[in-house]
Amino acid sequence: QSVLTQPPSVSAAPGQEVTISCSGSTSNIGSNYVSWYLQLPGTAPKLLIYETEKRPSGILGRFSGSKSGTSATLGITALQTGDEAQYYCATWDNSLNTPLFGGGTKLTVL
Amino acid sequence: EVQLVESGGGLVQPGRSLRLSCVGSGFTFGDYAMSWFRQAPGKGLEWVGFIRRKAYGGTTKFAAAVKGRFNISRDDFNSIAYLHMNSLKTEDTAVYYCGKTFYRTYISDAFDLWGQGTAVTVSS
Repeated sequence: QSVLTQPPSVSAAPGQEVTISCSGSTSNIGSNYVSWYLQLPGTAPKLLIYETEKRPSGILGRFSGSKSGTSATLGITALQTGDEAQYYCATWDNSLNTPLFGGGTKLTVL
Repeated sequence: EVQLVESGGGLVQPGRSLRLSCVGSGFTFGDYAMSWFRQAPGKGLEWVGFIRRKAYGGTTKFAAAVKGRFNISRDDFNSIAYLHMNSLKTEDTAVYYCGKTFYRTYISDAFDLWGQGTAVTVSS
């Protein structure tokens, strides 16, 4: 069971917006930046968001990140069927002094 | 091309050892800490361990599940990171990925380059 809690699945229709939550504690999300990763079936993870809200070059503005207290949120607008994937949050944990991943959320675009 | 390529996976019996390799290209390999991750069948991502860049001591750190059994080393001349896995257990069965840290100066949760993964199956 992951220290960072994500909903196992979310779904929305094409063109709609969806948010994915990631809940942690004061020793991780509450004190550090958050990253988000996308993993398409059978492929390696890809960095979507770093430093809670920044996008690496090449990542579209449809993806956004935010944080409040010990929870973080990934937002995806204008959903496309190609967005169907597993999404993982990650952060640093000050107690473990290691990176942590959430359990992952499967996005279904209906 | 900027990429990481893992190799060395396969079928191994419980209790045996295996060494995975991660070859980097297209960037200054020695300037970055490198991490290993794994993903068991149908499960989420798990951080396994990292090795700092030599300028910061080249020290390592591991997840509790593998501490004392796994080790990481690096050969910056050839741009390779190794994951040495000893005393393998069936629960180590997973796809193993290497990843490059986003920042030159410190390790965080941001990894901006990943390999394609190599599968390890531990079974008798």
